[in-house]
Amino acid sequence: EIHLVESGGGLVQPGGSLRLSCGASGFSFSAYWMTWVRQAPGKGLEWMANINPDASETYYVASVKGRFTVSRDNAKNSLYLQLNSLRADDTAVYYCARHYNWVFDYWGRGTLVTVSS
Amino acid sequence: QSALTQPRSVSGSPGQSVAISCTGTSSDVGGSNYVSWYQHHPGKAPELIISDVTKRPSGVPDRFSGSRSGNTASLTISGLQAEDEADYYCCSYAATYTSYVFGTGTTVTVL
Repeated sequence: EIHLVESGGGLVQPGGSLRLSCGASGFSFSAYWMTWVRQAPGKGLEWMANINPDASETYYVASVKGRFTVSRDNAKNSLYLQLNSLRADDTAVYYCARHYNWVFDYWGRGTLVTVSS
Repeated sequence: QSALTQPRSVSGSPGQSVAISCTGTSSDVGGSNYVSWYQHHPGKAPELIISDVTKRPSGVPDRFSGSRSGNTASLTISGLQAEDEADYYCCSYAATYTSYVFGTGTTVTVL
């Protein structure tokens, strides 16, 4: 059975940094693109970034380019999202998802990031 | 790039059909074969229910169907059931931006 489990969320001050992790199991992690999606309180889903299997390609939504960095460690079956220069409007639940054939076919339950002083 | 436009909410009685629209542009919904739909029960992981505009992944009930006309995609739930009460999001690949864009989300209420 496929499982994705996010961790690393928490309370951080504006301007601060946080590193989110996503542990994967139940599939060949190193063979798949992976994606991060977030949902701000009371808002809809927003695609953030994705990364190809060997980490040679990454893509970001314009609003986080230069502040967020997606990476992966295939040996550890783990996906990461480094969040820098955090702002109040980055407050959200962050989900990781497996990205296959232009869809996000498996998702985790998310980790909450709260940016507040 | 702006979010795709969905109605905020739709409702129906058990057994009825409801349709959710998802309006974008020729740069996303209208120009992409990669339109998908996701069901999200709050507090749980979102689930894929439609891929490639009309395809239903294995295990998804056949009461869920997708279609598209021009720049608007639609999700129809036929024979509404209590467990269908959830939030629904469309999503499209936008090749121009090498990115994905989600819809604003629709809450389905079963009366």
